[in-house]
Amino acid sequence: QSALTQPASVSGSPGQSITISCTGTSSDVGGYNYVSWYQQHPGKAPKLMIYDVRNRPSGVSNRFSGSKSGNTASLTISGLQAEDEADYYCSSYASSSTLHWVFGGGTKLTVL
Amino acid sequence: QLQLQESGPGLVKPSETLSLTCTVSGGSISSSTYYWGWIRQPPGKGLEWIGSIYYSGSTYYNPSLKSRVTISVDTSKNQFSLKLSSVTAADTAVYYCARQRLSKEWLLSHFDYWGQGTLVTVSS
Repeated sequence: QSALTQPASVSGSPGQSITISCTGTSSDVGGYNYVSWYQQHPGKAPKLMIYDVRNRPSGVSNRFSGSKSGNTASLTISGLQAEDEADYYCSSYASSSTLHWVFGGGTKLTVL
Repeated sequence: QLQLQESGPGLVKPSETLSLTCTVSGGSISSSTYYWGWIRQPPGKGLEWIGSIYYSGSTYYNPSLKSRVTISVDTSKNQFSLKLSSVTAADTAVYYCARQRLSKEWLLSHFDYWGQGTLVTVSS
């Protein structure tokens, strides 16, 4: 089973909104509401930003939101700030008999 | 506050076995609501799920690594461990341990707490 598909890079100016897509199949993203998103700054461990498609953990800014349509999940960041510049990874439960969890390839967000 | 800490050799020779341990503090590894997972990240590349284990010893592995991976748990020490055999340079990566939530349907869900990661280099 392949990794979920994300754009390699996205960019936006401070104050703008951006959306990162994450495309899978009906066996993962499309079939279950267990999509999560992680933010990773250079040299740091990933940080959970969104879980179960659209839920934010305590302490995560409400500028971060998640959604899903069919086999594609999306992460939207509104009011871009310099500190949002990071790599973002989506992930999902996968209902294969062999693979049970899958990550996306990652998206580099640049704040211009 | 839950904390996870990876430990183990930072350098492993090709064809040998990579062994890492994750020590959990601030919470019990025997919680019924969580699995405990290993994830790795080669330099400059993305995240790859290696596998996850329940406190009872039930495991899920990434099929691409399954033939070389063993994940075990020691509840008395609040630790879980990773062994990856027959390593090559392609196994050079930062290895993370993390807590993985179980959904209400008993399916794997998100990773909510992560260790800081440990770099393992495979080289002679």
